[in-house]
Amino acid sequence: NAGVTQTPKFRVLKTGQSMTLLCAQDMNHEYMYWYRQDPGMGLRLIHYSVGEGTTAKGEVPDGYNVSRLKKQNFLLGLESAAPSQTSVYFCASNDRHSYEQYFGPGTRLTVT
Amino acid sequence: AQKITQTQPGMFVQEKEAVTLDCTYDTSDPSYGLFWYKQPSSGEMIFLIYQGSYDQQNATEGRYSLNFQKARKSANLVISASQLGDSAMYFCAMSAPDFGNEKLTFGTGTRLTIIP
Repeated sequence: NAGVTQTPKFRVLKTGQSMTLLCAQDMNHEYMYWYRQDPGMGLRLIHYSVGEGTTAKGEVPDGYNVSRLKKQNFLLGLESAAPSQTSVYFCASNDRHSYEQYFGPGTRLTVT
Repeated sequence: AQKITQTQPGMFVQEKEAVTLDCTYDTSDPSYGLFWYKQPSSGEMIFLIYQGSYDQQNATEGRYSLNFQKARKSANLVISASQLGDSAMYFCAMSAPDFGNEKLTFGTGTRLTIIP
């Protein structure tokens, strides 16, 4: 049981490049989330999903897109990366009957 | 909108002493959840404790307890008998649960350092 995994762990992008971050969970959770963490700030919700095929915007969705084609995977895409998107990205998931969110280890993204 | 405020950017505590980390919140929702997470230097987010807004008793999990004062809108974390391994960032968070969908709003965190 791996829990929540994130790929990649680190990435450096140039401004304007695109990339996709992959989150996978093996706990059959319905709900999945993408957060970003910036220095001096707490985590902020980017997008979330309440089930396969559904996504919704969080607090800071601009510049990101997401997809949840399979229940166990939640993808976060950056179409045209900007230096303001330099951050640590966390994925999380929880079961509909439980309040506890399980977090992945994070992806450190630097945009130059 | 929900808001979490953590006013202590950093704290230094002697090993074996108890420590209280402050958290106040603001929401207009009658139903909400309050959480504390620990983030060690390795970076992962570790769930510590949860308190529901309708829970009558304060939540406890081992050495962690949540001092929930609803009228004052505070949800302080108390760690008893602190250990060196407690040195980490601590985040308070809240959710307005929507059928299990726990969208979390986080505070800015408190960096706790335990002194041997």
